[in-house]
Amino acid sequence: KNEVEQSPQNLTAQEGEFITINCSYSVGISALHWLQQHPGGGIVSLFMLSSGKKKHGRLIATINIQEKHSSLHITASHPRDSAVYICAVGYGGTYKYIFGTGTRLKVLA
Amino acid sequence: GAVVSQHPSRVICKSGTSVKIECRSLDFQATTMFWYRQFPKQSLMLMATSNEGSKATYEQGVEKDKFLINHASLTLSTLTVTSAHPEDSSFYICSASSPWTASGNTIYFGEGSWLTVV
Repeated sequence: KNEVEQSPQNLTAQEGEFITINCSYSVGISALHWLQQHPGGGIVSLFMLSSGKKKHGRLIATINIQEKHSSLHITASHPRDSAVYICAVGYGGTYKYIFGTGTRLKVLA
Repeated sequence: GAVVSQHPSRVICKSGTSVKIECRSLDFQATTMFWYRQFPKQSLMLMATSNEGSKATYEQGVEKDKFLINHASLTLSTLTVTSAHPEDSSFYICSASSPWTASGNTIYFGEGSWLTVV
């Protein structure tokens, strides 16, 4: 079992839909990042969380430390949101990170 | 906010040559930087921990003579892929940490570098 699990692995949505991507982890963490990677492109850091909830535009990220779970929500999804979303967990009081395998999102117009 | 920059974002090199990837912290001093590699259809995996002024610590299975890491200053770490082979083609990304950022202990990721060895 991977220490960081993401679900779903693949997601296709219609434009305008509300999207949720989940990340569960089994290690004690220092922080959790949500990252975005467009095909063939670089990494963009969306959020860094250690507790609670953060919002940036149409993106919302939440984390529940007790349940070892984080979610990334996209409201009013748009085709330009199509990308791979990666959950990265910093563990053991260090700055080393374990990455999920990513969720490949495709938003259709 | 703090930014970590990688260069080049894309590089193509011939098999047998060496290629250097730079990771710079643009507005903070990074005492520790990390290098990761992404294998096809797999998650990013830690390759090594780079500490300023000392030797890098490599993860098990990573060839230290092939992947040379230098962290000569508090704002720059370099990864040199020596005698590159097509199987070294991958996405490489760095991250940088510092306890002296305004937001406290935190970490920032570079944009990543795509290496293609032909």
